[in-house]
Amino acid sequence: ETGVTQTPRHLVMGMTNKKSLKCEQHLGHNAMYWYKQSAKKPLELMFVYSLEERVENNSVPSRFSPECPNSSHLFLHLHTLQPEDSALYLCASSQAHRGDYGYTFGSGTRLTVV
Amino acid sequence: DAKTTQPNSMESNEEEPVHLPCNHSTISGTDYIHWYRQLPSQGPEYVIHGLTSNVNNRMASLAIAEDRKSSTLILHRATLRDAAVYYCILSSNSNSGYALNFGKGTSLLVTP
Repeated sequence: ETGVTQTPRHLVMGMTNKKSLKCEQHLGHNAMYWYKQSAKKPLELMFVYSLEERVENNSVPSRFSPECPNSSHLFLHLHTLQPEDSALYLCASSQAHRGDYGYTFGSGTRLTVV
Repeated sequence: DAKTTQPNSMESNEEEPVHLPCNHSTISGTDYIHWYRQLPSQGPEYVIHGLTSNVNNRMASLAIAEDRKSSTLILHRATLRDAAVYYCILSSNSNSGYALNFGKGTSLLVTP
């Protein structure tokens, strides 16, 4: 365990389903991130929450909806996904506005859209 | 975003030192140099970071060129468990803070 816990580890969903990914950290960090890693591609930054406020949305389709109710929890709500959305979804946390601070990543949720 | 250039892959023998290079010729004065690695089926793991001076920790050493346009991650004795993709990333201040943007990294193969 890295200190960042993601659930579920694996998820298979149909294109008409609605599901949510959960991320939790108790490291005292105040910035949280969602990344997507498709097969054979680099990690893509999706969303950034700093001090519980969304500060970046990297042109992510609206079928992905993030939520950050407090500094310890981050959700990614999924609806009407496409097969090309199948990927490893990674959550990370850090200290906001600190370039000299490392990120801690979770183990990810492996999502398959059928 | 300032970008980095790394070799696609490198190979090393077990118990030998490994030097992983990274070029970042457009680095700005406030950019931190971060290194992460990702083992198969896992999330990335922080390795080391630096600004201007060389850095050492229990995992690795980071050598930063005097002009900061390149850096080298040094694994002093490679083990089979060090086989991973290694990412060199510049942490740049922006509206979203110091968000990390990953490239393709270097895939390190360690052979017995």
